[in-house]
This record gives sequence, C-alpha cells and structure tokens, in this order.
Amino acid sequence: GAGVSQSPRYKVAKRGQDVALRCDPISGHVSLFWYQQALGQGPEFLTYFQNEAQLDKSGLPSDRFFAERPEGSVSTLKIQRTQQEDSAVYLCASSLPREDEQYFGPGTRLTVT
Amino acid sequence: QKEVEQDPGPLSVPEGAIVSLNCTYSNSAFQYFMWYRQYSRKGPELLMYTYSSGNKEDGRFTAQVDKSSKYISLFIRDSQPSDSATYLCAMTRAGGFKTIFGAGTRLFVKA
Repeated sequence: GAGVSQSPRYKVAKRGQDVALRCDPISGHVSLFWYQQALGQGPEFLTYFQNEAQLDKSGLPSDRFFAERPEGSVSTLKIQRTQQEDSAVYLCASSLPREDEQYFGPGTRLTVT
Repeated sequence: QKEVEQDPGPLSVPEGAIVSLNCTYSNSAFQYFMWYRQYSRKGPELLMYTYSSGNKEDGRFTAQVDKSSKYISLFIRDSQPSDSATYLCAMTRAGGFKTIFGAGTRLFVKA
C-alpha cells in the first residue's frame, strides 16, 4: 500500500514568510510524529499526535512552530516568520498504536533565504 | 552532552567486509533500541528493533545491546555497495513515544 507522503518535497521561503508543510500518514495509523533533521544530524523530535490529540509538543523550538491534525489523519506543520535557522528537512512518521516501528515519509527540505 | 552519541564517520570499507557501527547513551531509562538506515534524500527506514540486552540477528544484520555499559552496536556481514547509506541509532523510554536519534554514521561500501 501507499507509504507516508509529504508535500511539498522542496520549499524555498524568504526570511519572514510563513510556510505550511503537509503530511499524509499511512491509512489507519493513529500515531503521527514530526521531526526536524539538520544537515549531517539525526532527526530531532518536534511533536507527537495520537489521532487528533497533540500529546507532546515539547520539541517545537519556538512559538513560531505550530502543528495540527484536526481530523486525526492529515497533519500540517506551520512555521511562522521563518528564520534561516529553520532551514532543515522536516520528516513526518506514522505508526500503529502500541507499535514502535515508525514509517517515515521522504521529508520536506525547507530552505530559508 | 547529548543523550545519544554516535560517530558520524564517514566509514569506508571494501565490499564483503564486516561493518561495526556503535552508539553510546547516557540515560538508563532508555529501554527500546532501534537502527534505521537512511539513503540520501529519503526518510529513515527501520532495520532492527531490540528491547533486551543481548543479540538479535536478521539476515546479514546483527544488533547488540549492552545496557550495563549503555552501548549498542549494529554489525553488517558481507557488506554490499547497496549498504552505502547513513545508519542512525535511536532509542525510546519504556511507555514513551519520544524517539531520540544519534547523529548517524555515513557508510560507504566500495565495490
């Protein structure tokens, strides 16, 4: 079946612009994660949803970052007033409940100029 | 100090070699240990998942966990050029969902 999809795959934003990154998880996966991966680094946890409930947002680096999953399927990560340090690959992953295997999407590469 | 330390490499080996990749961690609360493989411009994919100390084998891959030393390893036997990728260790606490990743080790297997 289809895996996790993310769009857009690449995004270039001028500093100060708002961006919205979309994640379509695998159908039936109730858990959804967002990660930020800087160049040459491992993914860093941003936030976690179980269905539509955001259970942990401790990894969001500032209040400019906001994530939602209103109907418990598609999720959007929004970054307001982008800064150069926001340049990274943003990964989305989904999993079944009580399963530790996370299935990752290909990521969205954000470049802030 | 990071919770999970991993040598970023790069590590270059000839085809057929045995590869050893390692991570150390500082938090004894970590109970679940994973190895992911990440090809360039792709998302990570799970290779191995272990819970207890000891060895777990899957084909050419063996994962080893030593909780007393807070040290985990991944061994790749008969390495192939297609194994060239970044290998990420990852771990979570019992009952937790926040996964902590190492920085990743870049591996090159030369034909």
